[in-house]
Amino acid sequence: AQTVTQSQPEMSVQEAETVTLSCTYDTSESDYYLFWYKQPPSRQMILVIRQEAYKQQNATENRFSVNFQKAAKSFSLKISDSQLGDAAMYFCAYRSIQGGSEKLVFGKGMKLTVNP
Amino acid sequence: AAGVIQSPRHLIKEKRETATLKCYPIPRHDTVYWYQQGPGQDPQFLISFYEKMQSDKGSIPDRFSAQQFSDYHSELNMSSLELGDSALYFCASSSPGQTQETQYFGPGTRLLVL
Repeated sequence: AQTVTQSQPEMSVQEAETVTLSCTYDTSESDYYLFWYKQPPSRQMILVIRQEAYKQQNATENRFSVNFQKAAKSFSLKISDSQLGDAAMYFCAYRSIQGGSEKLVFGKGMKLTVNP
Repeated sequence: AAGVIQSPRHLIKEKRETATLKCYPIPRHDTVYWYQQGPGQDPQFLISFYEKMQSDKGSIPDRFSAQQFSDYHSELNMSSLELGDSALYFCASSSPGQTQETQYFGPGTRLLVL
């Protein structure tokens, strides 16, 4: 079974600075999808960014970018120019392509605090 | 843009009662997923449906059942409620085609069992 690990339970960053959230995963599959979701205090789950494992190019979405290292099974999220609204729980998630399993497997999450 | 709709948003029940949670996917999305998120926990997959058929099953208790209807909305039925069922229940949906791997979440239903 696939597992997702977020080793840092909490991080803080100053407004306008850059922060990197780490995520590692374990899988024997060669093709899959990886996601970062954001959960603010409202507890809504908001998609931040998506990465297809077969793509070597790292995904970017405005101030959010990933560093995907397939061999190392690492999928970190970089937030540039941090804003107060970025404060939230961030979950890394894995989705299989093979075997018909559609579920998202989440890491335990990381709480990001943005200091003004 | 239209999002996933869940109702009710909050629900309070007594032990051993029954609860029904409803989910209305994004228009033209044909796959629905249910997740349970306990306090301070990550979301755990319960069950999913594609074209009204169960497509995947996770750690869903036997006391829970779910189905997807012809209009693609889904209902999660929970019976003999226990204190441990208190959680945030998410529904997510995905579309056929190129971005089917991406699940878009609803706002969740907060269930409190007393």
